[in-house]
Amino acid sequence: AQKVTQAQTEISVVEKEDVTLDCVYETRDTTYYLFWYKQPPSGELVFLIRRNSFDEQNEISGRYSWNFQKSTSSFNFTITASQVVDSAVYFCALIRGGGFKTIFGAGTRLFVKA
Amino acid sequence: DARVTQTPRHKVTEMGQEVTMRCQPILGHNTVFWYRQTMMQGLELLAYFRNRAPLDDSGMPKDRFSAEMPDATLATLKIQPSEPRDSAVYFCASATIVWGSTDTQYFGPGTRLTVL
Repeated sequence: AQKVTQAQTEISVVEKEDVTLDCVYETRDTTYYLFWYKQPPSGELVFLIRRNSFDEQNEISGRYSWNFQKSTSSFNFTITASQVVDSAVYFCALIRGGGFKTIFGAGTRLFVKA
Repeated sequence: DARVTQTPRHKVTEMGQEVTMRCQPILGHNTVFWYRQTMMQGLELLAYFRNRAPLDDSGMPKDRFSAEMPDATLATLKIQPSEPRDSAVYFCASATIVWGSTDTQYFGPGTRLTVL
């Protein structure tokens, strides 16, 4: 069975702080894909990143960075120097290789205070 | 900037009424997904279509929900009759998927449904 766990329900930080959102996944598949999506207060789901199971290289995109570690089945997301506009719910998700069904975590609500 | 569009964005209706939600996938995408988001259940996959054919609708209550793709530019999700427990945000997503591959799903803005 596949599962995605985001243990942090809510996180509150002050602007310019760094924050890490945790994501732990479970799967028996050797090929799978991991995703992060952002859901701002306006409600839409915005794609942030996709990573396949064979690529453990960390990724950095501006203030965002992702750390994928197969040894701990984790795909954590760090925002550096957080801003108020980063306030949103962030979802981690998993799809098995060749599959269609997305397994979403419960989401982490991030509040960034000015 | 290609996007998935959904209409209506908000819908308030009374119990027992029919509700139709529409989705226009990104041009060229061959797979369409319908999700429902509630506080209690989070994001649930209801159904998905590939090349307009339903692949899996096991997540959908069959007695009242139906999903179709009349053409490549339109997907619909209908609820008849609607019930208060159907109140949720319904998302459509689209992707380009060929067998053996897994592509990124791009989501629409959602339809917020309230059934009184």
